[in-house]
Amino acid sequence: KNQVEQSPQSLIILEGKNCTLQCNYTVSPFSNLRWYKQDTGRGPVSLTIMTFSENTKSNGRYTATLDADTKQSSLHITASQLSDSASYICVVSGGLTGGGNKLTFGTGTQLKVEL
Amino acid sequence: DAGITQSPRHKVTETGTPVTLRCHQTENHRYMYWYRQDPGHGLRLIHYSYGVKDTDKGEVSDGYSVSRSKTEDFLLTLESATSSQTSVYFCAITDSIGAYEQYFGPGTRLTVT
Repeated sequence: KNQVEQSPQSLIILEGKNCTLQCNYTVSPFSNLRWYKQDTGRGPVSLTIMTFSENTKSNGRYTATLDADTKQSSLHITASQLSDSASYICVVSGGLTGGGNKLTFGTGTQLKVEL
Repeated sequence: DAGITQSPRHKVTETGTPVTLRCHQTENHRYMYWYRQDPGHGLRLIHYSYGVKDTDKGEVSDGYSVSRSKTEDFLLTLESATSSQTSVYFCAITDSIGAYEQYFGPGTRLTVT
């Protein structure tokens, strides 16, 4: 069964600090891995998308890494801001179906940034 | 939210009543999806559409039906709502079968009492 597991479930950090979120997956076949940010009461918004051949991708203060051999990914947030408080969701695509990419979603890491 | 609106944004209904949620897009994207999001679960696909009048089931389709009569609108219907269908429902769109990016709507919070 395809699974995406994220850790930690929740995290509290002080503003200005860095943090790293983890994602382990057992999705096969593998097509691509995405990180989404979901603010409370909003829909998920894409941060990064990495294919099999990419092992690092950045989007501003967000840097995602991918190790396709160990089936692990991480999302590093640098110099956190209060606006980074959100749920971060790891999503793995297991190839194409008639409806496009077949996606398996993690349950998310809830990040809170405090003063 | 990438030109996607969902209506209503919040709804409380009673067990056994029919409910229809609407997703409207202004992006002219071909593919549209309905997901549900529940605590302890990742988003799960209910149904999707790959064109006008073309729909198919996702992993949690029991108790739900969909219709797409126009490119811009994708309706999700709960024929007889149950408490287990209390959830937050998200619509998503993408423009091609191989596209990586899915854009999500703002969500509809449905409570079935």
